[in-house]
Amino acid sequence: DSGVTQTPKHLITATGQRVTLRCSPRSGDLSVYWYQQSLDQGLQFLIQYYNGEERAKGNILERFSAQQFPDLHSELNLSSLELGDSALYFCASSARGDSSVSEQFFGPGTRLTVL
Amino acid sequence: GQQVMQIPQYQHVQEGEDFTTYCNSSTTLSNIQWYKQRPGGHPVFLIQLVKSGEVKKQKRLTFQFGEAKKNSSLHITATQTTDVGTYFCAGRHRYNTDKLIFGTGTRLQVFP
Repeated sequence: DSGVTQTPKHLITATGQRVTLRCSPRSGDLSVYWYQQSLDQGLQFLIQYYNGEERAKGNILERFSAQQFPDLHSELNLSSLELGDSALYFCASSARGDSSVSEQFFGPGTRLTVL
Repeated sequence: GQQVMQIPQYQHVQEGEDFTTYCNSSTTLSNIQWYKQRPGGHPVFLIQLVKSGEVKKQKRLTFQFGEAKKNSSLHITATQTTDVGTYFCAGRHRYNTDKLIFGTGTRLQVFP
């Protein structure tokens, strides 16, 4: 158990809908990262927050947005969903803002299926 | 753009055989991390390499960072069925932000 929690574990929805994925980092970690992993694909970095502020942006679509709240939990919002958005979405946390210095602890992931 | 490629994409070995995965970056890295993802699981941090030419060992696993800091390798000696999973390298490019760029991964299957 990494100490990072993600809810829900599974999510099935229809095209055009909007969903919210939630992540609680390890106790004391200030950084939260979101990744997308499609079937048989690597990990695509989406976005990072550090202590409530956006820190780095990756290949995140305009239909997607995220935020980190004062209690440091984070939410990833996916809207106007398309079939291609079906994937495993991981949240990770680290103690510091520089992801390259400290290791990242990954949550169990949310599997999103868009029908 | 900046890419981190890994080869091979897949590797099937007999238990007891050795295994190596190679990670290559299009640009110089400041450091590199390795993660393992078991089937149905999430990535788990294995190690970080920082210095040019650095070699680190964890039991049967040997990690190496190239002299030019553009490539890395993970070698597993005498594989076991517990080694099954996908191995990812992840690096931060030297003159970019602090984004961690994950490699494409190598999926290892070990047959008993």
